[in-house]
Amino acid sequence: NAGVTQTPKFQVLKTGQSMTLQCAQDMNHEYMSWYRQDPGMGLRLIHYSVGAGITDQGEVPNGYNVSRSTTEDFPLRLLSAAPSQTSVYFCASSYSLAGIYEQYFGPGTRLTVT
Amino acid sequence: GQQVMQIPQYQHVQEGEDFTTYCNSSTTLSNIQWYKQRPGGHPVFLIQLVKSGEVKKQKRLTFQFGEAKKNSSLHITATQTTDVGTYFCAGREGTSYGKLTFGQGTILTVHP
Repeated sequence: NAGVTQTPKFQVLKTGQSMTLQCAQDMNHEYMSWYRQDPGMGLRLIHYSVGAGITDQGEVPNGYNVSRSTTEDFPLRLLSAAPSQTSVYFCASSYSLAGIYEQYFGPGTRLTVT
Repeated sequence: GQQVMQIPQYQHVQEGEDFTTYCNSSTTLSNIQWYKQRPGGHPVFLIQLVKSGEVKKQKRLTFQFGEAKKNSSLHITATQTTDVGTYFCAGREGTSYGKLTFGQGTILTVHP
């Protein structure tokens, strides 16, 4: 199993550009999430999904869109990039086993917006 | 909204010393998770605590969940250089998957 994969690993955007961060998992996990990590702020939840066709907002959803058309894929779209969106983005997938939602994180995408 | 505060932000120890990081939530949690992130890496799940007063051990790591389910701690006995990294707690209010709130993390440096 590849686990959780994310592409690209690095990306530089100009302000106003749009792009999609890809996330895929091959573990048939029901749950998936997107986080951003900024220095000194831990990980903040952007959007999450509890199954194909079902998504919900997290703590910092503004400026980002998601969709979940399949169990495997959970892309994150930046609509109009801003310098404040410079961050490291992590995708995670999870399943529930006796109420424990162990999350598996991808390697991350480092995004710089100039 | 829910806030999860974690202290200290940084901890430098000599190899062999103990280390503890503390996590406090502004609200009662249904469960709390702990993750470790090595420098340049991604977070890796360590454990989930659910019950009030729960204590779990993983080799040199001891995890505790407070009686009021609003605080938690991670204690590492006799640190090793392999323990270097950032340790995060993450609290969940409800029992469903969504809306896990992470603490800011404690960056542990171990000097050989």
